[in-house]
Amino acid sequence: SAVISQKPSRDICQRGTSLTIQCQVDSQVTMMFWYRQQPGQSLTLIATANQGSEATYESGFVIDKFPISRPNLTFSTLTVSNMSPEDSSIYLCSVVLQGASYEQYFGPGTRLTVT
Amino acid sequence: QKEVEQNSGPLSVPEGAIASLNCTYSDRGSQSFFWYRQYSGKSPELIMSIYSNGDKEDGRFTAQLNKASQYVSLLIRDSQPSDSATYLCALPHYGGSQGNLIFGKGTKLSVKP
Repeated sequence: SAVISQKPSRDICQRGTSLTIQCQVDSQVTMMFWYRQQPGQSLTLIATANQGSEATYESGFVIDKFPISRPNLTFSTLTVSNMSPEDSSIYLCSVVLQGASYEQYFGPGTRLTVT
Repeated sequence: QKEVEQNSGPLSVPEGAIASLNCTYSDRGSQSFFWYRQYSGKSPELIMSIYSNGDKEDGRFTAQLNKASQYVSLLIRDSQPSDSATYLCALPHYGGSQGNLIFGKGTKLSVKP
């Protein structure tokens, strides 16, 4: 497996502001993903973070709201822009290790509360 | 629309019993299946993967796959209170981006001492 860290672990933000979440892995990975998990719900994929190119967004998620960067094989950021209380959620990054096909490993998550 | 269905529970079992968690899926072409455990307030943890019909055992955990009936299950033997968590079934979203997984809504397991 790999050690995956996320920063910040939690934050309380005011509506209308933006927050950037960082995901760092201690080894090279092939795929990186960003998920959202709302209270009591399962995981919803936001986008696939592609190294050196634009992220691939799932239906219902747009780049203007959730810009994503992945400058190298071990680091990615997700920004939640112009936040509203509906964005209050846990945001998780996950990775697929080199040599694996679909097994995803998750970071510890970022708990975001928007007031 | 690919779907992964799980009974949301809660499933309550006494300590020492066998907990049986089930998952059905709609995509008959699915080849890989994963079970994640998620403790309250924590992120999902991969505990089992299974690719072939039959059983796969890892300690107290056994994953069972029946592709003809399109279900995968997770058995936890000698259940412990520390097994109390939500268990998520997942499988690849073959029509989506490479590596994507589709997650079920999860079954909440409670093991009573």
